[in-house]
Amino acid sequence: AQSVTQLGSHVSVSEGALVLLRCNYSSSVPPYLFWYVQYPNQGLQLLLKYTTGATLVKGINGFEAEFKKSETSFHLTKPSAHMSDAAEYFCAVSEGYGGSQGNLIFGKGTKLSVKP
Amino acid sequence: KAGVTQTPRYLIKTRGQQVTLSCSPISGHRSVSWYQQTPGQGLQFLFEYFSETQRNKGNFPGRFSGRQFSNSRSEMNVSTLELGDSALYLCASSLAGSGTEAFFGQGTRLTVV
Repeated sequence: AQSVTQLGSHVSVSEGALVLLRCNYSSSVPPYLFWYVQYPNQGLQLLLKYTTGATLVKGINGFEAEFKKSETSFHLTKPSAHMSDAAEYFCAVSEGYGGSQGNLIFGKGTKLSVKP
Repeated sequence: KAGVTQTPRYLIKTRGQQVTLSCSPISGHRSVSWYQQTPGQGLQFLFEYFSETQRNKGNFPGRFSGRQFSNSRSEMNVSTLELGDSALYLCASSLAGSGTEAFFGQGTRLTVV
């Protein structure tokens, strides 16, 4: 069965510092990988996704992630944190089989705090 | 274009009652999925509907059910509510196709007392 592990339930960085949120997955087939962000009392918004092709994926708000098959990782980074980045981040995997999106298996989430 | 709309946003129910939540997907999206989010268990997949057919189901008891209508709108129903069913229920819609983006609604916050 597929699973997603996010290391660190809470990460705190200073404004302007590097953001690194870790995600490791297990999947028996080539996965589709996603990072979502959730602000308080809101739904989830897609930051970026990896399906096929280039392993370095750029997303919205300056975030990017690199798919490393050998390490089964899909870590999320941003060079310089902004106060508005404070939110909860979820890594997810999907087999995406058939004609549908499949179902998303989420990690437990990492809450990012940004200190001024 | 309009996003995914979930109604109601907030709901308080008593143990033993049943509840129906509604989700209107983005126009043209035929796939609708439901997720339960709780502090303890995180985000868990409930089920997915595609063209009025349930394609996938998560590991939830039979008290949780859903359906999709011909206009792609979806409802989920929870019967015989338990305190542990208190959660944020999220609906997501997407176009058909592997790995396509899921657009989430703001969710329905269900509190069971």
